[in-house]
Amino acid sequence: DQQVKQNSPSLSVQEGRISILNCDYTNSMFDYFLWYKKYPAEGPTFLISISSIKDKNEDGRFTVFLNKSAKHLSLHIVPSQPGDSAVYFCAEKTGANNLFFGTGTRLTVIP
Amino acid sequence: DAGVIQSPRHEVTEMGQEVTLRCKPISGHNSLFWYRQTMMRGLELLIYFNNNVPIDDSGMPEDRFSAKMPNASFSTLKIQPSEPRDSAVYFCASSFQLGNQPQHFGDGTRLSIL
Repeated sequence: DQQVKQNSPSLSVQEGRISILNCDYTNSMFDYFLWYKKYPAEGPTFLISISSIKDKNEDGRFTVFLNKSAKHLSLHIVPSQPGDSAVYFCAEKTGANNLFFGTGTRLTVIP
Repeated sequence: DAGVIQSPRHEVTEMGQEVTLRCKPISGHNSLFWYRQTMMRGLELLIYFNNNVPIDDSGMPEDRFSAKMPNASFSTLKIQPSEPRDSAVYFCASSFQLGNQPQHFGDGTRLSIL
């Protein structure tokens, strides 16, 4: 059973609007969640993270929200830009040093 | 600043052949990770090293897979003998060991076993 789930394989958003990417998890004993962005033929690139003791972290156009009672987190991108079109992965970091990745959501921002 | 460097970028070989994938982590990073990405299973961790020592190899699928890190600046992932189901993109990542330091990924090796 997948520890980290991204139930939407794809999302299309108009340029300038908000993109909301969702992630659900089962393991409550985590340290951090991280979001990565991946372009074709490249490795994943770190975007933003959130600690288990916080419920929000913001970095420019990117904000991650954590709802521990619902075991859910989301990444908000506003305003969305065509260059944001990529596959987005959420990943859970527990006490060990490794990451458990979701299956990814492909975001397409339409100009 | 040089990122994680993987070679080769693409590898096509016949079933039964030995395959060696290479990784140079970011200088100063003391943790190194090998991942495999497939359509069916997504990104899954194969093995990781701290200070050149393998810590968790529970993700290595079979004895045909082996990984080494002879020094802080080089690691290899070897498959011998290779099989068609090993076809995937293999990523190497590195990070500092402590805290919330993110892992930095290389651009991967696309492996095709015919």
